[in-house]
Amino acid sequence: DIVMTQSPDSLAVSLGERATINCKSSQSVLYSSNNKNYLGWYQQKPGQPPKLLIYWASTRESGVPDRFSGSGSGTDFTLTISSLQVEDVAVYYCQQYYSTPLTFGGGTKVEIK
Amino acid sequence: QAQLEESGGGVVQPGRSLSLSCAASGFTFSYYGMHWVRQAPGKGLEWVAFISYDGSTKYYADSVKGRFIISRDNSKNTLHLQMNSLRAEDTAMYYCAKPGVPGALTYFDFWGQGTLVTVSS
Repeated sequence: DIVMTQSPDSLAVSLGERATINCKSSQSVLYSSNNKNYLGWYQQKPGQPPKLLIYWASTRESGVPDRFSGSGSGTDFTLTISSLQVEDVAVYYCQQYYSTPLTFGGGTKVEIK
Repeated sequence: QAQLEESGGGVVQPGRSLSLSCAASGFTFSYYGMHWVRQAPGKGLEWVAFISYDGSTKYYADSVKGRFIISRDNSKNTLHLQMNSLRAEDTAMYYCAKPGVPGALTYFDFWGQGTLVTVSS
């Protein structure tokens, strides 16, 4: 199984400042035949289901604000919120879909400082 | 706009069974493989099971293999999860999730609101 490790577990960022969340996979999720990283990012607010933000490691889902961006390749990935807004308070998860079982990181809670 | 509505959750005793359903609309259900994902109270996300668009291929997490059965009825646009021999550790919100690409194991671009299963004596 591919183990997804997120860091930090939580972070507090001032409004308008940058938030950076890291995700590391125990093996590469880069599929060489199409050069795509099988990695997605989700946002989950209390009482709601997760919402897709980023897929293929760096492609923003339609309707997601451009302050959210994803980067990285192979085993190391980053979700960046360039300018934190009140509505971004949530838990963020990375997920690999390179192989079954599909696995998620443990989550990173983002709060306002 | 896709819609997924789970039902069937509730309180059940350990060792008993429960059946969940997910009614899909707003997309061509029969083109998409579908997933169940669960989340224990206050915990992270755990993928549970996948079924291909035609029901011919199924994958399960080791934690539920041999106890849970995923199925679908494309004529009714409905996904099912039969849960047998339930354990306390199966207590969770169960979500059905639609993949972003038809017929593929990919990211989930739409989730239902979930149905809560509580296993307790």
